[in-house]
Parts: sequence; structure tokens; C-alpha cells
Amino acid sequence: EVQLVESGGGLVQPGTSLRLSCAAFGFTFDDYAMNWVRQTPGKGLEWVSGISRNSRSIGYADSVKGRFTISRDNARNSLYLQMNSLRDEDTAFYYCAKDRASSAFRYFDYWGQGALVTVSS
Amino acid sequence: DVQMTQSPSSVSASVGDRVTITCRASQGVSSWLAWYQQKPGKAPKLLIYDVYSLESGVPSRFSGSGSGTDFTLTISSLQPEDFATYYCQQGDTFPSFGPGTKVDIK
Repeated sequence: EVQLVESGGGLVQPGTSLRLSCAAFGFTFDDYAMNWVRQTPGKGLEWVSGISRNSRSIGYADSVKGRFTISRDNARNSLYLQMNSLRDEDTAFYYCAKDRASSAFRYFDYWGQGALVTVSS
Repeated sequence: DVQMTQSPSSVSASVGDRVTITCRASQGVSSWLAWYQQKPGKAPKLLIYDVYSLESGVPSRFSGSGSGTDFTLTISSLQPEDFATYYCQQGDTFPSFGPGTKVDIK
């Protein structure tokens, strides 16, 4: 059974940093691209970042480019999101999502339970 | 960036009704279009990808159609478990989602 488990969320002040982790189980992790998707409580969905199976292709939403860094460790079946210079508007549930593709960012067929990041002074 | 819009933003329907949700992209996305269902407190669930391909385990009452910039999700006979919010998503360029359509009980 495919399972994605996020960790690392919490309450932080604006301008600070946080690192999210996602542990993957039940599939061949290094066969697929992986993504982070966020959702503001009560609002819609926003793709944040994606990384191809071999980390050669990486993409970011304009809203986080230059502040967030995605990475993966295929030996540990893990995905990460380093978030720097956090802003109030980064407050959201952050989902780890498996892609159906290996090298492109297409569709998200499995999702984690979400990690809540709250940015507030 | 490709902007996605959906209509209606909400729809009230009864069990057994046929429900149609429309999604429009600001530019052509070829056939890179998916639909998701989300229930309160849960992560989204992939229903349909590549416009009309049903994800494994998804009931056949769900169907998708369209091409280019205009797409449709149809639920042929609404069931109690289908009351949820539905999102379209394009996967042609960096992914983007529509704002969602809430299907609630009439």
C-alpha cells in the first residue's frame, strides 16, 4: 500500500525557516517524480514544487522561487522541502504528492495527510 | 502561467442527479487535464487524468471529456459519497488547479 507521511510542520515567525520531510512507503520511490502541493485552510490548491525521479528536473511556483528548495534522497525514500524567508501567506497545509510520471510534473495519484505550516508573529 | 477556471463554483443536487462541472484553461493544455475529489479534512483524490482516463478504483459513473481549453467532468448518477469539492488541474506546464466546485445536497 502506498503511503506518504509528512513531518516538520509547525508555528514559525515571519522571516524564519522550516524544513518539511516526507517518508514514502509501498512503491519504488526512485521511479517517480514527487511534488509538494499546498492548500490554505478553506481555500484552493497550489502546486509549490516538483522534482523528477533523478533530481535532474526541478520546478517551483513563482510564489516560492528563490525561497524554497526541494530535494530528495532516493536511498532513504524521502522527499524534503526547505522553506526560507517564510511569509504570512505561506501559511497552509503542505501535502507531499507522488506523481504519475517519472520526469515531468503531471498528475498526483497519491497524497500524504498534510503538514500544517503556520507563519505568524 | 496557465490559469484554470471552473463553473459553477457550487451546485446543489440530489442523489441520482446527473451533475456536470466545466473547467477552462487560459491557454491550450493539450490532453494534460485531471480531476480530483476532496472531502473535508482529507487530501484530494485523483479521479481522472489525461482528460478521460479513469484512475484505478474510481466508479464508472465519473467521466471526463474535452480538449484544448475546455473540459467537463460528469457524474452520471450522483451517489451519497459523491458530495465533495471537485478540482480540475492542468499538467501541461507547471501544474495549476482550478478554484473548485462544491457539490452539496439539495
